[in-house]
Amino acid sequence: GIQVEQSPPDLILQEGANSTLRCNFSDSVNNLQWFHQNPWGQLINLFYIPSGTKQNGRLSATTVATERYSLLYISSSQTTDSGVYFCAVERGETSGSRLTFGEGTQLTVNP
Amino acid sequence: DTGVSQDPRHKITKRGQNVTFRCDPISEHNRLYWYRQTLGQGPEFLTYFQNEAQLEKSRLLSDRFSAERPKGSFSTLEIQRTEQGDSAMYLCASSLASYQETQYFGPGTRLLVL
Repeated sequence: GIQVEQSPPDLILQEGANSTLRCNFSDSVNNLQWFHQNPWGQLINLFYIPSGTKQNGRLSATTVATERYSLLYISSSQTTDSGVYFCAVERGETSGSRLTFGEGTQLTVNP
Repeated sequence: DTGVSQDPRHKITKRGQNVTFRCDPISEHNRLYWYRQTLGQGPEFLTYFQNEAQLEKSRLLSDRFSAERPKGSFSTLEIQRTEQGDSAMYLCASSLASYQETQYFGPGTRLLVL
C-alpha cells in the first residue's frame, strides 16, 4: 500500500514562531488532507489539498503532487495550535476509498 | 449541519464481552468510514460504506468485527469477544461522493478492554 511519512515527529516552539511540517507519500494520490487532532481526540479538517496551494488565516499548505510531498505552514503560532497534525492521502485516480495516515507531528507551543 | 456524531464517547468493558458503537454521519453524506487509532499512531482504515453497501474491508477487520449501515444512514460497529488488543479509539468519518471529496470525522469512541 501507499506509504506516508511525516516530519518532524515532534516540534516544540515558542508562541509567535513559525513552523513547517512535511508529508511525503510514495504514490500518486487523488486526495490529500491535513488534520489537527486536539487533546480530546477530535480530528479537525484543515485543508483538502491534493495539489496546489491554499491559505486559511495563519495556516497555509502546499502540495507538489509530481514530487509527492505536501507542506503545512503555521505562522505566528499560538498555544491553541498545540496537538498532533496528521497528513492523510487517498491513493488512485478516483475518489471514494480509504485514507492512509502518517504517524503525525506532535506540536507543542509554549507561552 | 450538525457534524458526525458517535455514541458512546467512552466504553469500558471486560475481556470477552461484546460491544457496539454507533455513528451518525452528516445528513446528506452517502459515504461512511470506520477507522481505529491506537496511542501514538495515526488512524488506520477498517471499513467503508457507500449508502448501505459495504464496499471495502481492511484485513485489520477480523471475524470478530462486523459493521452495518442498514438504511444508508447511521452505522454500527460491533466487536464480539473483545480482547485487550482491541483497546483503541474508534473513529467514524463521512463524505459526499464528489470530485473534491473531503472526509469529516466524528469525536470517536474510546474503548478500554480490561
